[in-house]
Amino acid sequence: EIVLTQSPGTLSLSPGERATLSCRASQSVPSNYLAWFQQKPGQAPRLLIYGASSRATGIPDRFSGSGSGTDFTLTISRLEPEDFAVYHCQQYGRSPLTFGGGTKVEIK
Amino acid sequence: EVQLAESGGRLVQPGGSLRLSCAASGFIFSDHYMDWVRQAPGKGLEWVGRARNKANSHFTEYAASVKGRFIISRDDSNNSLYLQMNSLTTEDTAVYYCAREGYFESSGYAFDIWGQGTMVTVSS
Repeated sequence: EIVLTQSPGTLSLSPGERATLSCRASQSVPSNYLAWFQQKPGQAPRLLIYGASSRATGIPDRFSGSGSGTDFTLTISRLEPEDFAVYHCQQYGRSPLTFGGGTKVEIK
Repeated sequence: EVQLAESGGRLVQPGGSLRLSCAASGFIFSDHYMDWVRQAPGKGLEWVGRARNKANSHFTEYAASVKGRFIISRDDSNNSLYLQMNSLTTEDTAVYYCAREGYFESSGYAFDIWGQGTMVTVSS
């Protein structure tokens, strides 16, 4: 099973600042099949990034994904008020599919 | 509009059984792999399992934590996905989401559509 470790657990930032979230895999993610999701309280997750670096439909370009192999990053270039949420990474390259523990981006 | 809607969550006693449903609309259900994902209160997301599409014989896969207790099935004629949960324990308390695997060229199949979730509470 591929274990995903997200860091930090919580990121305290102000609107307008840059957010950098990390997702590290215990082994190489096949074909870099790594996704990022945003989740707000009481809501279902929303797909932001797939294939490590491709934005899903309707996702603003301030969100970007990068990385390969075992190290992946989600960057939010300038935080908007609606971006404060929990972010999950997930690998879908090998069964069982696995998620990281999540990173909470909170208002400082 | 592409939608998934789960139902069936409720309070159930330890050792009991429960069947969840997920109704799909707005897309060709039979073309897609469909998954269940759960989230315990205050915790992260956990993949429960998937049912592949008809072209892949509706093959099912499960997380180790539920294998042998949970059964995923689908009815393509009714655009529905099901999760039969048996021998429930308090560790199964969670919001259960169904999710569609959408195909992305050169990037495989990612969870592109999610339902709103249904709450399952296992408690005496």
